[in-house]
Amino acid sequence: KNEVEQSPQNLTAQEGEFITINCSYSVGISALHWLQQHPGGGIVSLFMLSSGKKKHGRLIATINIQEKHSSLHITASHPRDSAVYICAVRPHAGGTSYGKLTFGQGTILTVHP
Amino acid sequence: NAGVTQTPKFRVLKTGQSMTLLCAQDMNHEYMYWYRQDPGMGLRLIHYSVGEGTTAKGEVPDGYNVSRLKKQNFLLGLESAAPSQTSVYFCASSGGAWSGTDTQYFGPGTRLTVL
Repeated sequence: KNEVEQSPQNLTAQEGEFITINCSYSVGISALHWLQQHPGGGIVSLFMLSSGKKKHGRLIATINIQEKHSSLHITASHPRDSAVYICAVRPHAGGTSYGKLTFGQGTILTVHP
Repeated sequence: NAGVTQTPKFRVLKTGQSMTLLCAQDMNHEYMYWYRQDPGMGLRLIHYSVGEGTTAKGEVPDGYNVSRLKKQNFLLGLESAAPSQTSVYFCASSGGAWSGTDTQYFGPGTRLTVL
């Protein structure tokens, strides 16, 4: 079983819809990241969370440490939001983890006009 | 700032050939990483470096070697390429322990095909 599981694997939406992507993990973590991979392949970091909620524009990320679960929400979705969204966690380490991350498989989001 | 750059962007090799992928960052980052991305799988860590002159194995190091002779550069070598190494390779960097964040900055990727 993967340490980081995302759902759904594929998501299709109509422009304007509210979108939720889920991430569950099975290990204790120091931080959780959400990343976006554009159709051209580039990967950018969207959020880093260790508790609570963060918002940037139409993107909202939440995390529940006790339940080992995080969600990424997109409000008023747009075709330009079409991308792969990747969840990654920094597991607790006995010493230092050197920033190493464990990645989920990604969720492919397609938003139609 | 160029951020993180990778050379080359595409490459086709024959089984048994060797090659080196170059990653360069201009953000004075301490930590650098090499990943591979395969269909249906998450990014997997090949090797990483926590500073100039240091390297360490990641999750899938077999068949690869790395070097970090200069802080800004991290090289990934394939000594004898195999078809199983067909993948998209990403380099990333992050500030390190002193920076207070482990946000990673990624290069554009190198698509490698081994025939």
